[in-house]
Amino acid sequence: QKEVEQNSGPLSVPEGAIASLNCTYSDRGSQSFFWYRQYSGKSPELIMFIYSNGDKEDGRFTAQLNKASQYVSLLIRDSQPSDSATYLCAVHRSNDYKLSFGAGTTVTVRA
Amino acid sequence: EAQVTQNPRYLITVTGKKLTVTCSQNMNHEYMSWYRQDPGLGLRQIYYSMNVEVTDKGDVPEGYKVSRKEKRNFPLILESPSPNQTSLYFCASSYGRPRTDTQYFGPGTRLTVL
Repeated sequence: QKEVEQNSGPLSVPEGAIASLNCTYSDRGSQSFFWYRQYSGKSPELIMFIYSNGDKEDGRFTAQLNKASQYVSLLIRDSQPSDSATYLCAVHRSNDYKLSFGAGTTVTVRA
Repeated sequence: EAQVTQNPRYLITVTGKKLTVTCSQNMNHEYMSWYRQDPGLGLRQIYYSMNVEVTDKGDVPEGYKVSRKEKRNFPLILESPSPNQTSLYFCASSYGRPRTDTQYFGPGTRLTVL
């Protein structure tokens, strides 16, 4: 079982719609969860992080964490063509310095 | 400008020829890390360093070496590259350990081993 799993996509959504991305993790002791965005040919950049159960909103992005079910999700509201990218879920495992990434979900926002 | 730099950006080499990919950050970050990115596998951590002279293995350390003699530099060394090390490599840094701090990524090094 992979430590961090994401739907690979591609996920195609129309402009203005909500894009929903999911991520599950295997280490129940994981403490910190991150969403990175990676444009084609570029390096990853942080969108959001979340530590506590529940929702965290930042502009058009909302991260949701459910530790009991071991999943974290990212909602992109009012999707724009500029949101077309690969979204990487990253999980910091308990009590060490390692960071584990999922394989990423590719999102395409069609105008 | 705060940044992580990597050199070279592109490298084509042959099996067995030792190479070094340099990584440097100007943000006085304590934590630095190397990842490789392969299609369908995402980013996998190779090695990380919590501070000068302190390094540890990530998930895929085989065939790689690192050193951290200065806080700003964290070179990745392939003593005897093999074709399965053909990949896109990213260096990253953060002020503290990844539990709480954003990872800043370098621009990537695309390595091809023939």
